[in-house]
Amino acid sequence: GNSVTQMEGPVTLSEEAFLTINCTYTATGYPSLFWYVQYPGEGLQLLLKATKADDKGSNKGFEATYRKETTSFHLEKGSVQVSDSAVYFCALTGYSTLTFGKGTMLLVSP
Amino acid sequence: GAVVSQHPSWVICKSGTSVKIECRSLDFQATTMFWYRQFPKQSLMLMATSNEGSKATYEQGVEKDKFLINHASLTLSTLTVTSAHPEDSSFYICSARISGTSETQYFGPGTRLLVL
Repeated sequence: GNSVTQMEGPVTLSEEAFLTINCTYTATGYPSLFWYVQYPGEGLQLLLKATKADDKGSNKGFEATYRKETTSFHLEKGSVQVSDSAVYFCALTGYSTLTFGKGTMLLVSP
Repeated sequence: GAVVSQHPSWVICKSGTSVKIECRSLDFQATTMFWYRQFPKQSLMLMATSNEGSKATYEQGVEKDKFLINHASLTLSTLTVTSAHPEDSSFYICSARISGTSETQYFGPGTRLLVL
């Protein structure tokens, strides 16, 4: 079946540091890949997505590239802000349902 | 665009009572909605897929008589937790997919349920 593996957190960074959150997946066929963000006490917000190999999704300074050869979709941001502190979920679609990773908490300090 | 709301945002109830949670797509039609449950510091667990005008499809291990789902219109799905018990306390999140599309799900803000 489908599965998503994310790096365990929390990831602790200082403001303006470079961020990478690793995500790898196992899936049959050609899934679409997503990053969702969850702020404390809230639901999930779609951050970015990519629907085919070599696509790059980007939003709010975050970006991730769909790498079929390494089955990865790592999330990156060049300069994080305190307001980026949240839990980030990598996910993929398969047969119309979403499969989520366990989530990675990001803590950014001033 | 693609806004999903949930009501209530939080609810406290006594053990044995039933609680209804609403999920609405505000600016689009959603033939399919999904209900998830999230435990503290854990990922989302899909409970069921709700299809407008037909019965919901429940994931393995989810009691359909315990968690009643109704999707009576293209903008509203409801989850009723019947005879709630403390172990049902959790964060319930719904999502909706724009009719005619097959990929992106848009999530509601969640409903926190506490059963005393």
